[in-house]
Amino acid sequence: DGGITQSPKYLFRKEGQNVTLSCEQNLNHDAMYWYRQDPGQGLRLIYYSQIVNDFQKGDIAEGYSVSREKKESFPLTVTSAQKNPTAFYLCASGQGTDNEQFFGPGTRLTVL
Amino acid sequence: GIQVEQSPPDLILQEGANSTLRCNFSDSVNNLQWFHQNPWGQLINLFYIPSGTKQNGRLSATTVATERYSLLYISSSQTTDSGVYFCAVGPRGNDYKLSFGAGTTVTVRA
Repeated sequence: DGGITQSPKYLFRKEGQNVTLSCEQNLNHDAMYWYRQDPGQGLRLIYYSQIVNDFQKGDIAEGYSVSREKKESFPLTVTSAQKNPTAFYLCASGQGTDNEQFFGPGTRLTVL
Repeated sequence: GIQVEQSPPDLILQEGANSTLRCNFSDSVNNLQWFHQNPWGQLINLFYIPSGTKQNGRLSATTVATERYSLLYISSSQTTDSGVYFCAVGPRGNDYKLSFGAGTTVTVRA
């Protein structure tokens, strides 16, 4: 099936640890995105990549890092520098100038 | 960046009722999407509608780009329509980022 997968679904982390969230797509989309959602709020953009080996900071990039070594994969690392990492993380992909975006099922990260 | 305002923030409906959700945005856009977030957090694409009118079953949407607003209509609401509805817009040009509104939480009661 075509789509976007994220893993794990739930993730628990101790303070001071880095964790990596996985995002894979088989839609052959060039662009991929990471968003963060806090309870009762809309989505905020963390990082995005419009092409392999290139990515840009979004509105809230501090404390996060990404890589884009393959077209289908865009992992997000939440570092210990992120002050308040507990949130719901959503990955998306899009294609073309209209850039309609499609979302994965999300990862819920909880810092203990 | 583009500012996106959604109204109302909360909406409670009786099953079978009709409703209208509004999205105002502050600048010209290349992309406007409506999403439904289900109770498990999944964002479901409803419409890609930077301008014009579209219909999909009981849902329809209209975007008036020159006046910088979009409307989502829900007719004959069902309990499965409950959830949060988000409007997201992307600016003109080569910037492919989406800016999201805060959402409208819809509760449909049986």
